[in-house]
Amino acid sequence: LAKTTQPISMDSYEGQEVNITCSHNNIATNDYITWYQQFPSQGPRFIIQGYKTKVTNEVASLFIPADRKSSTLSLPRVSLSDTAVYYCLVGDFDYGQNFVFGPGTRLSVLP
Amino acid sequence: GAVVSQHPSRVICKSGTSVKIECRSLDFQATTMFWYRQFPKQSLMLMATSNEGSKATYEQGVEKDKFLINHASLTLSTLTVTSAHPEDSSFYICSATSGGNEKLFFGSGTQLSVL
Repeated sequence: LAKTTQPISMDSYEGQEVNITCSHNNIATNDYITWYQQFPSQGPRFIIQGYKTKVTNEVASLFIPADRKSSTLSLPRVSLSDTAVYYCLVGDFDYGQNFVFGPGTRLSVLP
Repeated sequence: GAVVSQHPSRVICKSGTSVKIECRSLDFQATTMFWYRQFPKQSLMLMATSNEGSKATYEQGVEKDKFLINHASLTLSTLTVTSAHPEDSSFYICSATSGGNEKLFFGSGTQLSVL
């Protein structure tokens, strides 16, 4: 299983772009990279998923270099409501795969 | 997107009683379901993985006789905390996937408080 490493915490101000990088040096060929957001006392919420290069949706972008040993979640123009813990999860979603979460990154958005 | 429903959202029980938590995939067939527990300000800790119709696989250190997991259908998995004690108080979260590089979907979690 690919182990992930992220910064424990980050601070930002409203309106700024936030980039959170996750290292996954032993990612396997079939592994996908998925980012989740979690608020206190709630289950994680899917943000974005990718395999390689760049993926963009209505809330975030995900940048994955060619070697896939890291990935960067980019949140454009954050607001106070983006204060949460962000997890990157790396794995193969085929049958039987289990998923272990790293410590995540606690993002605090300040006014 | 796919929805995973988890109930109850909060339960308070006396020490020694058993508590059942349900996790349902509402609009997809969940070939695999996962159960996590989470303590305050900590990450999710995987407890067990269950595939429909087979016995759950427990992570090291998780007592299978205490945390009974049943995944009898492609849309329902249950976690029963047997003879609960105060140290079992935690936030329990289920998740499900249909496989084939689909996303992992999470329930809203259950806060268990054992008095």
